[in-house]
Amino acid sequence: DGGITQSPKYLFRKEGQNVTLSCEQNLNHDAMYWYRQDPGQGLRLIYYSQIVNDFQKGDIAEGYSVSREKKESFPLTVTSAQKNPTAFYLCASSMSVLAGGNEQFFGPGTRLTVL
Amino acid sequence: SQQGEEDPQALSIQEGENATMNCSYKTSINNLQWYRQNSGRGLVHLILIRSNEREKHSGRLRVTLDTSKKSSSLLITASRAADTASYFCATDARNSGNTPLVFGKGTRLSVIA
Repeated sequence: DGGITQSPKYLFRKEGQNVTLSCEQNLNHDAMYWYRQDPGQGLRLIYYSQIVNDFQKGDIAEGYSVSREKKESFPLTVTSAQKNPTAFYLCASSMSVLAGGNEQFFGPGTRLTVL
Repeated sequence: SQQGEEDPQALSIQEGENATMNCSYKTSINNLQWYRQNSGRGLVHLILIRSNEREKHSGRLRVTLDTSKKSSSLLITASRAADTASYFCATDARNSGNTPLVFGKGTRLSVIA
């Protein structure tokens, strides 16, 4: 099956802890993205990567970090510096960021709750 | 950086009725896309319309684009309870380089059986 997977589905974190959300795709897509979604809201871009070993900040990158060591994987770390991390996190991928190749495929999401 | 804004924020209709959602955006675009999200799930791509297209159909979906008014509409005909979801428009700004899509806040559609 081709697709994009995220794990875990639910994640609980104590204040002050770093946590890492996993995102894997087997679609051979160059571009990958992380979004944050708060209740009743749209998607806000955290980070995106156009190619391996390269990534750019989105609109709300503070308190988050990413890596792109492999084409298939784009993990997101929510650090203790993120003051309000409780949210639904969505990972997506696309052929490229460029116009015409940017239909995005989404994973099922990870719901992070800070206790 | 909100590019697209959907209207209305919420819509409730009876099964069998048509549902119309609108999206307005600010800058010139290459294309506009519509996505659907069931509660607690990821988004699913529905349809893409390019800036040189005015109307596009896919099954019960009809999308229009008016670049002079910087707006798009998504029409779902003969709605079903299973169409209950949130619908988002997403745009990529022309001449913005390699920047990703920008999503609106969505319209929450409830179809009552």
